Amino acid sequence: QKEVEQDPGPLSVPEGAIVSLNCTYSNSAFQYFMWYRQYSRKGPELLMYTYSSGNKEDGRFTAQVDKSSKYISLFIRDSQPSDSATYLCAMSENGGFKTIFGAGTRLFVKA
Amino acid sequence: DGGITQSPKYLFRKEGQNVTLSCEQNLNHDAMYWYRQDPGQGLRLIYYSQIVNDFQKGDIAEGYSVSREKKESFPLTVTSAQKNPTAFYLCASSPAGNSPLHFGNGTRLTVT
Repeated sequence: QKEVEQDPGPLSVPEGAIVSLNCTYSNSAFQYFMWYRQYSRKGPELLMYTYSSGNKEDGRFTAQVDKSSKYISLFIRDSQPSDSATYLCAMSENGGFKTIFGAGTRLFVKA
Repeated sequence: DGGITQSPKYLFRKEGQNVTLSCEQNLNHDAMYWYRQDPGQGLRLIYYSQIVNDFQKGDIAEGYSVSREKKESFPLTVTSAQKNPTAFYLCASSPAGNSPLHFGNGTRLTVT
């Protein structure tokens, strides 16, 4: 079993839809949770960074962490064609240098 | 602009040859990392360095080697011992542990 599970998709939605992306994990020691966006043939760029459980909002993006269920989510409101990319969840333990990534979900937003 | 520069963008080698991928950062970050990305597998950690002259193996270090002689530079050598070297290689840096990673734009290595 992988430490971090993420549905690879692809996920296709119409412009303006609310997108929900999710990851589950097995290591209860994970404390830091991240979402990265990766465009084709580019490096990942950080979207959201949260510590422990709770919600964090930044513009059209909301990250949720439920440590009791070992489940994290990223919501994208009013999705745009420019949001079409691969979204990677990532997490790490306290004091660690090893960040573990999910496989990534490919998202297509149709105009 | 601060960032991470990986070169070259595309690299082609024959089987049996060693090849070195370059990674330079001007973010003044202490920690640097090398990840490998394969379709459907996400990013897997090859090596990381917390500080100059020190580095640790990640989850898939076999067939790879690194050096960290300068804070700004963390080159990765893919040796002939790496059985499946064709992949997208990503270099990253962070100020410290548990800090978000800043990535370069990768080097796509093809070995035939």
